[in-house]
Amino acid sequence: GAGVSQSPSNKVTEKGKDVELRCDPISGHTALYWYRQSLGQGLEFLIYFQGNSAPDKSGLPSDRFSAERTGGSVSTLTIQRTQQEDSAVYLCASSEWDRGPEYTEAFFGQGTRLTVV
Amino acid sequence: AQKVTQAQTEISVVEKEDVTLDCVYETRDTTYYLFWYKQPPSGELVFLIRRNSFDEQNEISGRYSWNFQKSTSSFNFTITASQVVDSAVYFCALSVNNAGNMLTFGGGTRLMVKP
Repeated sequence: GAGVSQSPSNKVTEKGKDVELRCDPISGHTALYWYRQSLGQGLEFLIYFQGNSAPDKSGLPSDRFSAERTGGSVSTLTIQRTQQEDSAVYLCASSEWDRGPEYTEAFFGQGTRLTVV
Repeated sequence: AQKVTQAQTEISVVEKEDVTLDCVYETRDTTYYLFWYKQPPSGELVFLIRRNSFDEQNEISGRYSWNFQKSTSSFNFTITASQVVDSAVYFCALSVNNAGNMLTFGGGTRLMVKP
């Protein structure tokens, strides 16, 4: 596709259940990011993948959150034992290069709106 | 730690008015990048500009212009002759050193342009 694709667009889950959110980055983009947008906390960085390097997980709010990126392309963000405070829009972004003089900007998907009831 | 402050949570203007969105940042790093993104009702963040800390030249792109002043740690965004299609939430963001697109965002400013 032409842009970053996220699925599902909306997800309602019961408190305590696990959820998986999917991100398909732009083809050829080596860097992938997850962000969370909530009313209380605004836009927050969660995790960053660059090629085959170990991800930067410094933004993950708790050990209930994890993410993986398979084959350097598709990424899945998993939230275990969801809590009501996890309700937010989860945004994925990708960029072609994000270091040095070739640094390119990030393109964002439309997000997954997660509601924990 | 880095911080970005957008003091204006909401601005309402009438079409054709000029409007300036304020952004103040805090960082101890000497190398950093500043960004503006637009978030229309559809939800995706649209990149508008990136400026590095060593380039204080102001930039103009059509009706958009940006004023970067290191002396006041500000990176303000002006829309000239605003249009209804400019209605959106605008975010200022910062990345430091070699953090690429790992961004610290401000709280956003909701701009409403009325016809």
